[in-house]
Amino acid sequence: EVQLVESGGGLVKPGGSLRLSCAASGFTFSSYSMNWVRQAPGKGLEWVSSISTGRNYIYYADSVKGRFTISRDNAKNSLYLQMNSLRAEDTAVYYCARESSSPENFDYWGQGTLVTVSS
Amino acid sequence: NFMLTQPHSVSESPGKTVTISCTRSSGSIASNYVQWYQQRPGSSPTTVIYEDSQRPSGVPDRFSASIDSSSNSASLTISGLQTEDEADYYCQSYASNNHWIFGGGTKLTVL
Repeated sequence: EVQLVESGGGLVKPGGSLRLSCAASGFTFSSYSMNWVRQAPGKGLEWVSSISTGRNYIYYADSVKGRFTISRDNAKNSLYLQMNSLRAEDTAVYYCARESSSPENFDYWGQGTLVTVSS
Repeated sequence: NFMLTQPHSVSESPGKTVTISCTRSSGSIASNYVQWYQQRPGSSPTTVIYEDSQRPSGVPDRFSASIDSSSNSASLTISGLQTEDEADYYCQSYASNNHWIFGGGTKLTVL
C-alpha cells in the first residue's frame, strides 16, 4: 500500500525556518518525481515545488523561490522541504504528492502537515 | 503562467447532473493534459479524472470530463449526483515552465 506521511509542521514566527519531511512507503520511491502542494486555511490548492527522481530537475512556485528548498533522499525514501524566511502567507497545510507520468497526475497524497506562521 | 478559472461554487439536487468548468487564460487547453481532483472536507485530494477524460479505477462512471478548444476550457460532469459527491473539485494542468497550475477550486453542494 502506498503511503506518504508528512511531519515537521508547527508554529513558527515570521522570519523563522522549518523543515518538513515526507516518509514514503509501499512503492519504489526513487522512480517517481515528488511534489509539495499547500493549502492555506479555507483556500485552494497551490503547487509549491517539484523534484525529479535523480534530483536533476527542481522547480519552485514564484511565491517560494529563493526561500524554500526541496530535496530528497532516495536511500531513506524521504522527501523534504526546507522553509526559510517564513511569512504569514505561508501558513497552510503542506501535502507531499507523488507524481505519476503515465498516467499524468498526482496519484497519491499524504495527509498533510500544518504550518502556522504567526508571532 | 496561465491561470485556470473555475466557478467558486455550484449546487444541484441529488440525482441531477452538474458540470464544473475550468477555463485556461492563455495558451491552448489542449496543449497539456487536465486533471481533476476531489477533496472532501478534512481529507486529502484524490484524482477523479486524469489526462483530460480518463477515470482511475474505482471512480464511478458518473464522473466524466472533456476539453473544448473553442472555449479553451475543460469540464467535469457528474451525473446521478449523490450526497457523497459533495466536495471541492480542482482542475490542474502543466505549464511550459515546468510548473503545475491548479484552478481555484469549485465547491459542489448537493442539496
